[in-house]
Amino acid sequence: DIVMTQSPDSLAVSLGDRATINCKSSRSISYSPNNQNYLAWFQQKPGQPPKLLIYWASIRESGVPDRFSGSGSGTDFTLTISSLQAEDVAVYYCHQYYSAPWTFGQGTKVEIK
Amino acid sequence: EVQLVESGGGLVQPGRSLRLSCIGSGFTFGDYAMSWVRQAPGKGLEWVGFIRGKPHIGTTEYATSVKGRFTISRDDSTSIAYLQMNSLKSEDTGVYYCTRERTYDWHALIDSWGQGTLVTVSS
Repeated sequence: DIVMTQSPDSLAVSLGDRATINCKSSRSISYSPNNQNYLAWFQQKPGQPPKLLIYWASIRESGVPDRFSGSGSGTDFTLTISSLQAEDVAVYYCHQYYSAPWTFGQGTKVEIK
Repeated sequence: EVQLVESGGGLVQPGRSLRLSCIGSGFTFGDYAMSWVRQAPGKGLEWVGFIRGKPHIGTTEYATSVKGRFTISRDDSTSIAYLQMNSLKSEDTGVYYCTRERTYDWHALIDSWGQGTLVTVSS
């Protein structure tokens, strides 16, 4: 199974500041023939199911604010929130859908400083 | 609007079985893979398994932790996906989410979630 490891486990950021979450896969989740990275990011707010934010490592899902962006390839990926808002307080998970069984990172909790 | 509604959760003794159901609406059910993701109390997400839609309809994949004990099936005529859970263990306790997955050949991406149903395995 591919192991997804996120860092940090939690972070506190001031309103309006940048938040950066890293995700590393135990092996490459990039597929050369189509040049795609099979990496998604989900946001889970307290008491709610997760919500898809980013897929193909950098494509925002419809309706997701443009302060959320994703980058990376191969085994190293990043989710950036450019200007943290109060409604962004949540746990964020990276997720690989390259090789079954699909797997998630352990989650990163984002709070307001 | 895509809706996924789970049912069938509850309290069950270790070693027993339970079947969860998920009814989908607002989309063409057979065009999508359907999967289950669980979350133990206060913990992270664990993908349980999925059943593919077109073009590889009916093929399944499972997490290592549930392979041989859990079975996912689907009835496209009624837009329902099922999770049959046998030989349940205390570590299977958690909220079980039904999810829809967009299909990309043999791969699939979760894009919608139900509200979840709680399964508690305890004597």
